Amino acid sequence: DTAVSQTPKYLVTQMGNDKSIKCEQNLGHDTMYWYKQDSKKFLKIMFSYNNKELIINETVPNRFSPKSPDKAHLNLHINSLELGDSAVYFCASSQMVGGGEQYFGPGTRLTVT
Amino acid sequence: EDQVTQSPEALRLQEGESSSLNCSYTVSGLRGLFWYRQDPGKGPEFLFTLYSAGEEKEKERLKATLTKKESFLHITAPKPEDSATYLCAVQASSNTGKLIFGQGTTLQVKP
Repeated sequence: DTAVSQTPKYLVTQMGNDKSIKCEQNLGHDTMYWYKQDSKKFLKIMFSYNNKELIINETVPNRFSPKSPDKAHLNLHINSLELGDSAVYFCASSQMVGGGEQYFGPGTRLTVT
Repeated sequence: EDQVTQSPEALRLQEGESSSLNCSYTVSGLRGLFWYRQDPGKGPEFLFTLYSAGEEKEKERLKATLTKKESFLHITAPKPEDSATYLCAVQASSNTGKLIFGQGTTLQVKP
């Protein structure tokens, strides 16, 4: 069984478009995260939700809007895509907010042309 | 500012040649230090959590240790399947839970 899943795996789109990435976890965890991995493989936190409540918003442009319909799902919507948004986006989850290991999804490679 | 630096950036070993990866960190109150393995095209896979200086954890050929300033990932008699990027991350005691990652060490083990 896949613990943390993301769709789609690959996303190729043009500048100015709006796109969404979906994430689901079946671990029963309360907290979910979005990370961005740039071309140098550096992973950086973007957002965190605990039981549908926003906990972390790390100076991300407001073109990025996370949405958590329930504690098992955390989606990422991106408006007006720019070239610099090209990266791999990872969803993760942990049992509780504030501590403990995080389990990552397989990633979504976004390419903006 | 909380920061994590890993060295070396890349490491090539012959099969069976043991070595260590370094993770130096500065954090305002360490809640935990984490090691992950990342294979190309995949998400980071959790390996270890260390919480306090002096703590050690082992898994197969991997052993992680922690001091107040750094952590080491020791790889004993590596095999080609150990080839991957190893990521170190710290979690501060600020209670937000975010992980601050280093840039990773890419390990290649040749048969």
